Amino acid sequence: TQLLEQSPQFLSIQEGENLTVYCNSSSVFSSLQWYRQEPGEGPVLLVTVVTGGEVKKLKRLTFQFGDARKDSSLHITAAQTGDTGLYLCAGEGAGGTSYGKLTFGQGTILTVHP
Amino acid sequence: SQTIHQWPATLVQPVGSPLSLECTVEGTSNPNLYWYRQAAGRGLQLLFYSVGIGQISSEVPQNLSASRPQDRQFILSSKKLLLSDSGFYLCAWSVQGASFGYTFGSGTRLTVV
Repeated sequence: TQLLEQSPQFLSIQEGENLTVYCNSSSVFSSLQWYRQEPGEGPVLLVTVVTGGEVKKLKRLTFQFGDARKDSSLHITAAQTGDTGLYLCAGEGAGGTSYGKLTFGQGTILTVHP
Repeated sequence: SQTIHQWPATLVQPVGSPLSLECTVEGTSNPNLYWYRQAAGRGLQLLFYSVGIGQISSEVPQNLSASRPQDRQFILSSKKLLLSDSGFYLCAWSVQGASFGYTFGSGTRLTVV
């Protein structure tokens, strides 16, 4: 069974601060995805990283995939109140019975205060 | 464009009653389909996935079952609900594999009383 440990579980910061969310595993993943979820809605895909060491930027969000494809991070620069939500990382199984299935981390609840 | 519909949005059911949640996808063919459960706004637990009509794989032993009677229809069922079945249920679809990500429905909040 593939597990993804996401940290921190809760993050409460002031508008304008920077933050980083981490996602770690002992398993290798074909890809690592980050989702954002609003209360009462389904998660929405933010980004997919596929190559070890890959870095992707989405405006103020920077996503990195570890060299060994076992871990990832999400960094937000100058957080805004609109960034508030639940952030989930998810790893795609690298093969066998895990192929094509996503394993989700436990999520990080981010609250950005004005 | 592809869309995914999931209903109902909320459901309150007594213990021991049956359950049927439906999910349909439009604008794509032969999608992979998934049912997830999410507890208290945290991580998602995969319940079932399907790669084709009539093909269902169960990830965890439970009181629930799934069926795929048509290519773009996925149904989550139970004959007798338990209190522990309460939660937020999410349907999702993807192309074969998962590298392009999952698209989720808007979820069903199930409360068993």
